[in-house]
Amino acid sequence: EPEVTQTPSHQVTQMGQEVILRCVPISNHLYFYWYRQILGQKVEFLVSFYNNEISEKSEIFDDQFSVERPDGSNFTLKIRSTKLEDSAMYFCASSEASNYGYTFGSGTRLTVV
Amino acid sequence: QKEVEQNSGPLSVPEGAIASLNCTYSDRGSQSFFWYRQYSGKSPELIMFIYSNGDKEDGRFTAQLNKASQYVSLLIRDSQPSDSATYLCAVNTGFQKLVFGTGTRLLVSP
Repeated sequence: EPEVTQTPSHQVTQMGQEVILRCVPISNHLYFYWYRQILGQKVEFLVSFYNNEISEKSEIFDDQFSVERPDGSNFTLKIRSTKLEDSAMYFCASSEASNYGYTFGSGTRLTVV
Repeated sequence: QKEVEQNSGPLSVPEGAIASLNCTYSDRGSQSFFWYRQYSGKSPELIMFIYSNGDKEDGRFTAQLNKASQYVSLLIRDSQPSDSATYLCAVNTGFQKLVFGTGTRLLVSP
């Protein structure tokens, strides 16, 4: 079964450093998303991406965050100047259409120290 | 105002029983509704989706939607210990995002 691949599975970074989280969505999917889940809390929407541009973003997705699709397969989330409160599990997801269910990757656990 | 609400549980049921999980949502314009299962430390896994009022069955799972009451439910028949997980209700309001509830933790005892 097709799957969404995320790397790395775990990243530890120092406060103030930049991190890039990587995702390979399912190949025939057109919509891409980033979500995060702080330990013990709900899955929170960050951003959706379609046709090489951001379609929706939440209040969490401020200027320290950016997304990019640098080639035909990868989809990245960059966090500039990480803060302690950015520590969370970050999930990439993709879908064939905007009202279809999303397939989630296995996540990247980001720990900011 | 919470957009998608679920009882956090835990909901405890014995093996073989029916587990009933409920969800309410606030946006009347919501168009599609999803149930995800999330095991501890893992990513959400899609188990059911429903777009129209009424019931939709898939194996041991039945999703029920009542748009007038803004209510979605998931029934799990013949519950198994392997069904023990957190069940997330997610709603698509017509924009390109799913909004998740906090999830209901289900415990199925042997």
